[in-house]
Amino acid sequence: QVQLVQSGAEVKKPGASVKVSCKTSGYTFTGHYMHWVRLAPGQGLEWMGRINPNSGGTNYAQKFQGRVTMTRDTSISTAYMELSRLRSDDTAVYYCARDDGDIYPFDPWGQGTLVTVSS
Amino acid sequence: SYELTQPPSVSVSPGQTARITCSGDALAKQYAYWYQQKPGQAPVMVIYKDTDRPSGIPERFSGSSSGSTVTLTISGVQAEDEADYYCQSADTSDIYRVFGGGTKLTVL
Repeated sequence: QVQLVQSGAEVKKPGASVKVSCKTSGYTFTGHYMHWVRLAPGQGLEWMGRINPNSGGTNYAQKFQGRVTMTRDTSISTAYMELSRLRSDDTAVYYCARDDGDIYPFDPWGQGTLVTVSS
Repeated sequence: SYELTQPPSVSVSPGQTARITCSGDALAKQYAYWYQQKPGQAPVMVIYKDTDRPSGIPERFSGSSSGSTVTLTISGVQAEDEADYYCQSADTSDIYRVFGGGTKLTVL
């Protein structure tokens, strides 16, 4: 079955960068866009952007332009999201989610990765 | 930027009907999706393409659309429905995704 398994929790200091991985299995990795979404404490779901694993092309939400980089390694069917210049309000659970078209735009989701930014 | 607006909270008693609205200009041209999220869990889609219900989602969940507003209706609310609900859509280019701010459903 389709599975997205994310890397473990991270604790970072303000100003640092974090790179979260999303290892996929059970489907053709290059056949589906991958999205990244975050949920900060007391806030709502926030779409960060997406990557086309086939071409490597990316689209980022305006809010994260210049700070986020989404990449992939097709040899190991894994997508990555790197967020730089971290601030305390970047503390959140970060999810990857496969794009499965009009019916399932986010399906399935990874289990989430908690990133804590604290001095 | 493109925004979707939801009420922050809705409260109902068990067995009553809960209605959660979501408004945004592009909803007149783009489909809306609804997600349920419980603490510590990934979101689960309960409605897709404005009105359709995925397999495995109870029939008490339904969706409707009128112009720039979509509505999630939960009929005969149960205690287990207490969760955060998010609408989601895309901009007119169909590239950028957006979530509403979320609505906390409280079952009294």
